[in-house]
Amino acid sequence: NAGVTQTPKFRVLKTGQSMTLLCAQDMNHEYMYWYRQDPGMGLRLIHYSVGEGTTAKGEVPDGYNVSRLKKQNFLLGLESAAPSQTSVYFCASSGRPAEGVRNQPQHFGDGTRLSIL
Amino acid sequence: KNQVEQSPQSLIILEGKNCTLQCNYTVSPFSNLRWYKQDTGRGPVSLTIMTFSENTKSNGRYTATLDADTKQSSLHITASQLSDSASYICVVSSLKAAGNKLTFGGGTRVLVKP
Repeated sequence: NAGVTQTPKFRVLKTGQSMTLLCAQDMNHEYMYWYRQDPGMGLRLIHYSVGEGTTAKGEVPDGYNVSRLKKQNFLLGLESAAPSQTSVYFCASSGRPAEGVRNQPQHFGDGTRLSIL
Repeated sequence: KNQVEQSPQSLIILEGKNCTLQCNYTVSPFSNLRWYKQDTGRGPVSLTIMTFSENTKSNGRYTATLDADTKQSSLHITASQLSDSASYICVVSSLKAAGNKLTFGGGTRVLVKP
């Protein structure tokens, strides 16, 4: 069982370059999320999706774009990378909450470590 | 503003000893509280999820408690092992959060020494 798979695992970019991070899940989950994790801070939500073809902004969306063309994939794009975007990026997925019940766990990938010089 | 605060930031314990991690939150309206374990270089893995009506939940040597009145939770690790060295993250869900979004604490880094 692969669960949530993120590619690439590591990447170094120069300021101004663009790239796309890929997240794939094989659990047939409706909801998918992109987070960034910085030293000393909790995970912060960048964008999320509640189903194929839908996306929404999270807490820190500026400088990022996302797409959910297929249910199993969630892509995170950096159009013009900046040093402030150096971080570890995590993708997560979860099932759709039942009415009044929100205790579905989020399943995380192992992250993409991105350095921007 | 919804917030989750954890203490201590880090701690060192000897193998075989017990320890307790603390979490205070201001998330409202409350839905559930989760504890995740994050090994170095890996993604977080769910340990427990507790709803409003649950006071305690165990997962092996991990026991989480919840006091919804004081908005506090603790995670107790019994008879620690070297493999318990990790960051432990307290996470709270709000009933009103669109997309079932979560609020994460900054984590407690635990180092178990032989």
